[in-house]
Amino acid sequence: KNEVEQSPQNLTAQEGEFITINCSYSVGISALHWLQQHPGGGIVSLFMLSSGKKKHGRLIATINIQEKHSSLHITASHPRDSAVYICAVVLNTGTASKLTFGTGTRLQVTL
Amino acid sequence: KAGVTQTPRYLIKTRGQQVTLSCSPISGHRSVSWYQQTPGQGLQFLFEYFSETQRNKGNFPGRFSGRQFSNSRSEMNVSTLELGDSALYLCASSFASGSLRGETQYFGPGTRLLVL
Repeated sequence: KNEVEQSPQNLTAQEGEFITINCSYSVGISALHWLQQHPGGGIVSLFMLSSGKKKHGRLIATINIQEKHSSLHITASHPRDSAVYICAVVLNTGTASKLTFGTGTRLQVTL
Repeated sequence: KAGVTQTPRYLIKTRGQQVTLSCSPISGHRSVSWYQQTPGQGLQFLFEYFSETQRNKGNFPGRFSGRQFSNSRSEMNVSTLELGDSALYLCASSFASGSLRGETQYFGPGTRLLVL
């Protein structure tokens, strides 16, 4: 079982829809990142969370440490939101830290 | 401020060769991390450098190595290339702490390596 699981793997939505992408992890973490990767490979860091909720424009990210779960929400989705969304968790393993990525959620927003 | 730059952007090598990729971080950033992305394994963390010292290392064989210079520029080297090393190699910079300490990272465009 992967340490980080994302769902769904693929998501198609119509413009204007509210979108939720989920990330679950199996061990204790110190932080969680949400990344956006556009076709062509460029990656943008959207959020870093260690607790609670963060909002930036139409994007909202939440994390529940007890339930080992994070969600990324997109309100009023737009075709330019079409991308792969990746969550990554920071695992503290003794003296070292380890960054582990989910497999990504491919989002397609159509007109 | 200029973003993270990576050179070269595309590279074709043959098995057994070695390759060096370069990453210039955003001015003032001292932490540089490297990642490998393949269709099969997704994104994987290679290593992180801060002030010319490797601070964290992922689970990759010793053929993968890196270094950071005093101006924070970083290089990664892969020796004895294998077909499975074909991937997009991304570097990311941050001011100090790096993503493993919860700091936002800024990614470069990547170097796409094809091993034949």
